[in-house]
Amino acid sequence: AQSVTQLGSHVSVSEGALVLLRCNYSSSVPPYLFWYVQYPNQGLQLLLKYTSAATLVKGINGFEAEFKKSETSFHLTKPSAHMSDAAEYFCGGGGADGLTFGKGTHLIIQP
Amino acid sequence: DAGVIQSPRHEVTEMGQEVTLRCKPISGHNSLFWYRQTMMRGLELLIYFNNNVPIDDSGMPEDRFSAKMPNASFSTLKIQPSEPRDSAVYFCASSLLWEGHNEQFFGPGTRLTVL
Repeated sequence: AQSVTQLGSHVSVSEGALVLLRCNYSSSVPPYLFWYVQYPNQGLQLLLKYTSAATLVKGINGFEAEFKKSETSFHLTKPSAHMSDAAEYFCGGGGADGLTFGKGTHLIIQP
Repeated sequence: DAGVIQSPRHEVTEMGQEVTLRCKPISGHNSLFWYRQTMMRGLELLIYFNNNVPIDDSGMPEDRFSAKMPNASFSTLKIQPSEPRDSAVYFCASSLLWEGHNEQFFGPGTRLTVL
């Protein structure tokens, strides 16, 4: 079964700085990988997904993620953080048995 | 479209009581998922349905939990009897024919507190 690991339960960056949220996956088959964002008191919203079409995936709100098979990674990045990016971010792996999420990373934006 | 609808948004009950959470998926979606979110365990998939049929319920914690989907537009998650450790936010999500890569659309969640 798919499993994903997010490194760092909390990440703090300054406004305007690079955002890097780490995700590693474990799978014996080509994965479907996702990043979701959760704002306070809301459900999850899809940021982007990887389905093997292209290794660099662009999502909403200026986020992108790169699939690196050699590193089994799918890290999420954004060149310049904005205050509105403060939220919980979840990496997920999809398979026939559903969607498995990492523990989440809380992104804090410092003014 | 109104999106995935969950009710109630908040539920406070006492230990031993029966709790029923409800979900209306997006019209036309035929896959439905129930998740539980806690600080300790993060977001866990409890069960999911394809075309109203339960496909994988291996995430259901114990027999006190049961889920049904009597038709394409409605699902329930029931806890009987409830316990304080069941306190969590429960999310319902739906998808258009889950094949591992389709987007799941999440509802706003039900925050359950068991005293």
